[in-house]
Amino acid sequence: DVAMTQSPLSLPVTLGQSASISCRSSQSLVHSTDGNTYLNWYHQRPGQSPRRLIYKVSNRDSGVPDRFSGSGSGTDFTLEISRVEADDVGTFYCMQGARWPPTFGQGTEVEIK
Amino acid sequence: QVQLVESGGGLVQPGKSLRLSCTASGFSFRSYGLHWVRQSPGKGLNWVAVISYNENEKYYAGSVKGRFVISRDNSQSTLFLEMSSLTIEDTGVYYCAREEGDGYNSVRYWGRGTLVTVSS
Repeated sequence: DVAMTQSPLSLPVTLGQSASISCRSSQSLVHSTDGNTYLNWYHQRPGQSPRRLIYKVSNRDSGVPDRFSGSGSGTDFTLEISRVEADDVGTFYCMQGARWPPTFGQGTEVEIK
Repeated sequence: QVQLVESGGGLVQPGKSLRLSCTASGFSFRSYGLHWVRQSPGKGLNWVAVISYNENEKYYAGSVKGRFVISRDNSQSTLFLEMSSLTIEDTGVYYCAREEGDGYNSVRYWGRGTLVTVSS
């Protein structure tokens, strides 16, 4: 299975500041069939279901603020959150869909300082 | 809007069976692949199984292969997960999730989950 390693696992942030979460995969996430990279980011607020923020590395879902941006390639990916708001607390997960089985990172818990 | 509502969770003894259901609305059910993802208490997300829109393809995580069966009834817009030989490690919230069609295994919409507790 593809191992997804996130860092940091805990991220205290100050309101209004930026935050960055890293996600590294043990294998390339470039799909052999179409050449696309299947790496998504999800946000799970406490007590809620996950919500997809970003798909295929850098594409924001509709309704997701442009404060969230994804980047990366191959095995190295980053989620950037600019101007952190109180609503951003919770756990962020990366997930790969390029290789079977789909796998998630361990999660990065974001809290407000 | 897309709605996914899981049901069927509860307390079950080790070695027993349980059937989960996920009732969908707000979209053309028969057009999308569907997944089950679970979350152990206080832990992260773990993918469990997927079924293609036409039920022709089904895949399972290694930890549940041979014990869990995913199926769907497109006429009733319902997804199922038949779980057998349950162990304590199967405890968790089980989410039904729908693909978006914008990539492989690209789950976008999630239900609220149903809690399965395996305990004697």
